[in-house]
Amino acid sequence: EAGVVQSPRYKIIEKKQPVAFWCNPISGHNTLYWYLQNLGQGPELLIRYENEEAVDDSQLPKDRFSAERLKGVDSTLKIQPAELGDSAVYLCASSRLAGAYNEQFFGPGTRLTVL
Amino acid sequence: AQSVTQPDIHITVSEGASLELRCNYSYGATPYLFWYVQSPGQGLQLLLKYFSGDTLVQGIKGFEAEFKRSQSSFNLRKPSVHWSDAAEYFCAVGPSSNTGKLIFGQGTTLQVKP
Repeated sequence: EAGVVQSPRYKIIEKKQPVAFWCNPISGHNTLYWYLQNLGQGPELLIRYENEEAVDDSQLPKDRFSAERLKGVDSTLKIQPAELGDSAVYLCASSRLAGAYNEQFFGPGTRLTVL
Repeated sequence: AQSVTQPDIHITVSEGASLELRCNYSYGATPYLFWYVQSPGQGLQLLLKYFSGDTLVQGIKGFEAEFKRSQSSFNLRKPSVHWSDAAEYFCAVGPSSNTGKLIFGQGTTLQVKP
């Protein structure tokens, strides 16, 4: 089966510009996660969706970050405006269902550089 | 608060040598424990996981890990390292069985010498 697809793989923007990342999860996976991975660090959860509902967005900086998962399939993560500190890798993952027993499958990530 | 510590930021081993990557966690109850591997430009791949039962768990690619409650540890081991094992390794804890939320350590970079 196809894995989690993310695009773009790389993005370079200037600060204060908007940017969007797209994720297509594995077919049939109801739960979708967005993680932030800073250089030299482990991933940190930003938001978790169960179908189209955001059930955990407590770590999402809502002043500049937004996300949506229309129709419970693809998801988009947006930053507006971007800041220098947003330079990182943004990972998308999906699992069949929520819960620790359901393996999370990760995409390759989008590496964002803010100049 | 739950946390995961990987004491070694970078480890270098010779090909064919044994490997042990350390992971310590902080959590009040028995956690769900995971090891992931991330190769350059790739997403994270699950190596193995521990939920309950036998404290020695086997994973893919010849890896194993042992859960030691008394030491709050979940160290990853491999008896003979291959050059293709060079990657970054992340230990993670899942404090809730319902949400699937994972808390990751900062990772250990493994370099393999020929």
